[in-house]
Parts: sequence; C-alpha cells; structure tokens
Amino acid sequence: DIVMTQSPDSLAVSLGERATINCKSSQSVLYSSNNKTYLAWYQQKPRHPPKLLIYWASTRESGVPDRFSGSGSGTDFTLTISSLQAEDVAVYYCHQYYSSPFTFGQGTKLEIK
Amino acid sequence: QITLKESGPTLVKPTQTLTLTCTFSGFSLTTSGVGLGWIRQPPGKALEWLALIYWDDDKRYSPSLKSRLTITKDTSKSQVVLTMTNMDPVDTATYYCARKKVGVRLNYFDYWGQGTLVTVSP
Repeated sequence: DIVMTQSPDSLAVSLGERATINCKSSQSVLYSSNNKTYLAWYQQKPRHPPKLLIYWASTRESGVPDRFSGSGSGTDFTLTISSLQAEDVAVYYCHQYYSSPFTFGQGTKLEIK
Repeated sequence: QITLKESGPTLVKPTQTLTLTCTFSGFSLTTSGVGLGWIRQPPGKALEWLALIYWDDDKRYSPSLKSRLTITKDTSKSQVVLTMTNMDPVDTATYYCARKKVGVRLNYFDYWGQGTLVTVSP
C-alpha cells in the first residue's frame, strides 16, 4: 500500500494569510507513461462529505476558488491557500489514486488564528 | 444532476453483517469509465478507502478488509451494495459512497453522498 503522510496535523493561520499543507507519499505517484501525478486534495467541513479541490496534483476542480493551489511531484506535495478566508476552516486530505488501495492522508485541520 | 445517497441500518450488533446501499442518479454504471466507491470515517478520524466497483464489474478492495467486504452493482436499479461481515465496534463510522471521475485510471472522487453513520454496539 502507498502510505500518505500529511503535515502538520493541525494548523492555525490568520485571516488573509497563507496556509500551507504538506503531503508525502511512501512511493512515487507519477505515472511515467503519461507524466501525470495521481494525487488529489479534498476539503471536508464539519458534518459534510469531502469536496474535491485539486486533481493531477495541481489542477483545480471546476468552481474551486483560485486561492487554492496544488504543487509538487513524485512523492512530495503541497496544498496552498494564498489568502485564508473564514469559510476555509476545514480538514484537508490528500489522496493518491495511482494504485489500489487508493489511500488517503490522515488529514490536516485548518483553523483561524 | 448527479446525486448519491447511502442507506442501511444505523445500528448493528457485533458479529453481524452490515449491508449498505448506494442509490445514485444522473449517471449510469454501464458507461465506460464509470465507477463507484465506498469510503468510511470513524468519528473524529480520517477517511479510509474501502472498495471500488467499475462499469465492467472489475472490483478493488482494501487489503486489510478484503476478507470481510463484498461490493456489487445492480445497474437496473442504479445501486451499489457494500456488505461487511463480522462487524466490530471499531467499524463504527460514517460510510460514504462516491463516484470516481469518469475515465480510465481516474480513481479520485468527484461526487459524494452525504454519508450514513453506522454504530456497532451490543
């Protein structure tokens, strides 16, 4: 299994400031035949299901604000929120879809400082 | 409009078998590239991927739970069923069904149900 490890487990950021969440996979999720990175990010607000934010490590899902961006390759990835808004308080998960079982990270809880 | 809804018992006893149904609309599980998965989340904990079934009836399971899980589809009813045997209190969780992105090897989830909380208790 590919193990996904996020850091930090929790994060407090002031409104308007940048938030950065990291995710590391235990093996590469880059598929060499198409040069695509099989990594997604989700946002989960309390009492709601997860919402897809990013796929292919850096492609925003339709309707996701452009303050959300994803980066990274191989085994190290980052989700960045450029200017934190109150509605961004949530738990964020990375997810590898390179190989089954398609594992999730343990989550990073983002709060307002 | 794509919707998914989980249904099943809210309370099961230890050793019993859990049967959950995901009823969906807005897409067909006969269309090439379509798949539907199950993910669970114990209270206050992380998401755990459980199983995925594809349009061609290919199936994938979490290795740690494979011996206890069965995923099936009924395309005429637009339903996917997950059964989990020998339930234990540690299986208490919200169980989500979700559609994977349509396409080959696109195994991330773009639509989710609201989830159903299953409690395992004597």
